Amino acid sequence: EPEVTQTPSHQVTQMGQEVILRCVPISNHLYFYWYRQILGQKVEFLVSFYNNEISEKSEIFDDQFSVERPDGSNFTLKIRSTKLEDSAMYFCASSETMDRESPGELFFGEGSRLTVL
Amino acid sequence: QKEVEQDPGPLSVPEGAIVSLNCTYSNSAFQYFMWYRQYSRKGPELLMYTYSSGNKEDGRFTAQVDKSSKYISLFIRDSQPSDSATYLCAMNGDTGRRALTFGSGTRLQVQP
Repeated sequence: EPEVTQTPSHQVTQMGQEVILRCVPISNHLYFYWYRQILGQKVEFLVSFYNNEISEKSEIFDDQFSVERPDGSNFTLKIRSTKLEDSAMYFCASSETMDRESPGELFFGEGSRLTVL
Repeated sequence: QKEVEQDPGPLSVPEGAIVSLNCTYSNSAFQYFMWYRQYSRKGPELLMYTYSSGNKEDGRFTAQVDKSSKYISLFIRDSQPSDSATYLCAMNGDTGRRALTFGSGTRLQVQP
């Protein structure tokens, strides 16, 4: 069964360092997302990406964050200068469409746990 | 008031019990309602979605939406130990926004 894969599964970094989290969405999917979940808190939307550009972003997704689809398969989230409060599980997700029939059918990866020291 | 509220649990039931999970929300623009299941150290997995008010059934799972009360429910019949997980409600509006707003999740433990 097709799945969204994420690397690394866990990354530990020092505050102020740059981090890149990588995702391989399901191959025929067109919409890509990053969500995060701080330990013990709810899953929060960060950004959605379609047709090689950001289609929507949340207040969390400030100038320290960027996303890129560097090739036909990878989708990356970069955090330029990590802060302690960036420690969280970051989930990549993809969807084939976003129409009325299946508006929320997002397929999530298993997540990348980021620990900022 | 939080946009989506969900009792965090934990909820512990014996195998075979009927489980009722609920969320309330405040944003009347929400039109699409989903339930995700999340096993420990895994990503959320879509269980069911509904559009606007009404019921939807899929096997042992039934989703209900009452927009007048801003209240959604997920019922699990004949619960199994494999149903033990965290259940997240999620929703979004009908304005072209694709971002999902999640509840905090209810942890369910089904005892064999």
